[in-house]
Amino acid sequence: DVKVTQSSRYLVKRTGEKVFLECVQDMDHENMFWYRQDPGLGLRLIYFSYDVKMKEKGDIPEGYSVSREKKERFSLILESASTNQTSMYLCASTGDRYEQYFGPGTRLTVT
Amino acid sequence: EDQVTQSPEALRLQEGESSSLNCSYTVSGLRGLFWYRQDPGKGPEFLFTLYSAGEEKEKERLKATLTKKESFLHITAPKPEDSATYLCAVQAGNNAGNMLTFGGGTRLMVKP
Repeated sequence: DVKVTQSSRYLVKRTGEKVFLECVQDMDHENMFWYRQDPGLGLRLIYFSYDVKMKEKGDIPEGYSVSREKKERFSLILESASTNQTSMYLCASTGDRYEQYFGPGTRLTVT
Repeated sequence: EDQVTQSPEALRLQEGESSSLNCSYTVSGLRGLFWYRQDPGKGPEFLFTLYSAGEEKEKERLKATLTKKESFLHITAPKPEDSATYLCAVQAGNNAGNMLTFGGGTRLMVKP
């Protein structure tokens, strides 16, 4: 079974803090993705990576950066957290037949 | 621009009452259409991939079908444990990086 894990299920941070969200997949997948999910707005792509040290902006990259130093690990960084970044963050990786497998999600609250 | 529209937004069923969820799409050369189930507070769980019109996939009480413009997720004799949000997504053939475009989802509630 494909397994995608995320470092935290729940996270509470203060405005202005630097926040790291970690994602690890165990299936040697090339592509990894970070989304945020908000009520009424659905899933929105923040960044994706198709190889180690490679990254591409998604639909809403502002205020975020990413890091992929190893194939199995993809990190999302909030350089200076703001209240409008309170959301559910989902990591995914792509299988052989293009379907994406998701992690359990991190519910981030910025106060 | 690729677009995915799901209907209805919410659906209430009695246990055993069969129904269908709709996913309409416009995409430049469909590479695949994907169905996911999402429980509250959790990540989406992959259900099916459909690649071409006429294709069907089944899993327990769920059956997904595909035409050139839409996909249906048929739920036969649903149970309360089928209650969840069902998401549809498409992938275009000219898509670098295997990105998906998601619909807004259908929230299904099955009452005992």
